[in-house]
Amino acid sequence: SQQGEEDPQALSIQEGENATMNCSYKTSINNLQWYRQNSGRGLVHLILIRSNEREKHSGRLRVTLDTSKKSSSLLITASRAADTASYFCATDAAGAQKLVFGQGTRLTINP
Amino acid sequence: GAGVSQSPSNKVTEKGKDVELRCDPISGHTALYWYRQSLGQGLEFLIYFQGNSAPDKSGLPSDRFSAERTGGSVSTLTIQRTQQEDSAVYLCASSWASGGEYEQYFGPGTRLTVT
Repeated sequence: SQQGEEDPQALSIQEGENATMNCSYKTSINNLQWYRQNSGRGLVHLILIRSNEREKHSGRLRVTLDTSKKSSSLLITASRAADTASYFCATDAAGAQKLVFGQGTRLTINP
Repeated sequence: GAGVSQSPSNKVTEKGKDVELRCDPISGHTALYWYRQSLGQGLEFLIYFQGNSAPDKSGLPSDRFSAERTGGSVSTLTIQRTQQEDSAVYLCASSWASGGEYEQYFGPGTRLTVT
């Protein structure tokens, strides 16, 4: 069954606003990663958060992890047109050696 | 340095034909993954290789799909007797090792269209 599920499926906001995407998963994990995909081709790694971490920052990105709720959120602050992309969370079920990706959130930043 | 490369970038084939998709991982990466992505969907895991260990083939959808990794480097995904439902973008990724603590580096993908 799907390990990670993103919410919302699609999000459209104005440039300069903040964008928040959520990811829920079903089993215990060791790590959760977020990736960005432009134009339906290769994915780019954004950030990794470990199960013993609650929050991480990288530039305009802020990721939180709540293992009690089995959920994570990705916040992009001061959005730009170039942030338009699909965003995926990926999790590793505890003990597994591979990542399971969610369906993604399609983010559109309107100028 | 060079990233993950895949070839061809696009492939159109007739139903029933066999296709081979190639992936060149980043040098030194011991783990290599194949995924399939249908239009507007998430990534579906197909198979991964870790060093000299037996590959995890648990995601291959049917016995028409197979993959090999020669010399711990280049990998080839083969689809025999292609069907229209095989149409998708096939993505390859590599990482220093397998496991969720390692970032995966993705290639640009091969868009397969079966007519």
